[in-house]
Amino acid sequence: AQKITQTQPGMFVQEKEAVTLDCTYDTSDPSYGLFWYKQPSSGEMIFLIYQGSYDQQNATEGRYSLNFQKARKSANLVISASQLGDSAMYFCAMREGTGTASKLTFGTGTRLQVTL
Amino acid sequence: AAGVIQSPRHLIKEKRETATLKCYPIPRHDTVYWYQQGPGQDPQFLISFYEKMQSDKGSIPDRFSAQQFSDYHSELNMSSLELGDSALYFCASSSGTEGEKLFFGSGTQLSVL
Repeated sequence: AQKITQTQPGMFVQEKEAVTLDCTYDTSDPSYGLFWYKQPSSGEMIFLIYQGSYDQQNATEGRYSLNFQKARKSANLVISASQLGDSAMYFCAMREGTGTASKLTFGTGTRLQVTL
Repeated sequence: AAGVIQSPRHLIKEKRETATLKCYPIPRHDTVYWYQQGPGQDPQFLISFYEKMQSDKGSIPDRFSAQQFSDYHSELNMSSLELGDSALYFCASSSGTEGEKLFFGSGTQLSVL
């Protein structure tokens, strides 16, 4: 079974609007972390936001917020006030367990295009 | 703030040649991860090291090997290169003192001709 599912291969949003990128996950481990990364066309992988499974509040980092619904196993990324520079591929990823150097598993990504 | 440094940024090799990719983690980060991202694919985990010891292994071919040195930098050695090895190779680092966050380098784009 897929551990991380991103069902939106591509999304369009108008500049200054908010957009939600979907991510669902599958794990039986009670301790896990959820990540969102941005990958622009230049290729680098930029960390955006992190949510721990025991965190009581939804994570926020500037214009990025994570809508964490534990019972639904979803961790959607919300980008407010979209900018042209937000056009990129966005990956949701999960890290299971608390063991040292536990790896990330990525979803297949959502390509976001911000339009004028 | 210092980030993860990878070198080289681009590398072109012929089939059957060898390649060495280098990764310098963020200072005081003790864990290094290697990922491979094929064109249009999501990153796939290859291998990780914690305190210079291999800690986890993913879908890394036997032709590849890696190690972490005493200064915590890591090298990924790739031998008998194949066309299918053409990909973007990322290194990431993390530290227990910064919680669970992994930070990635800019990647090395390997092209095998």
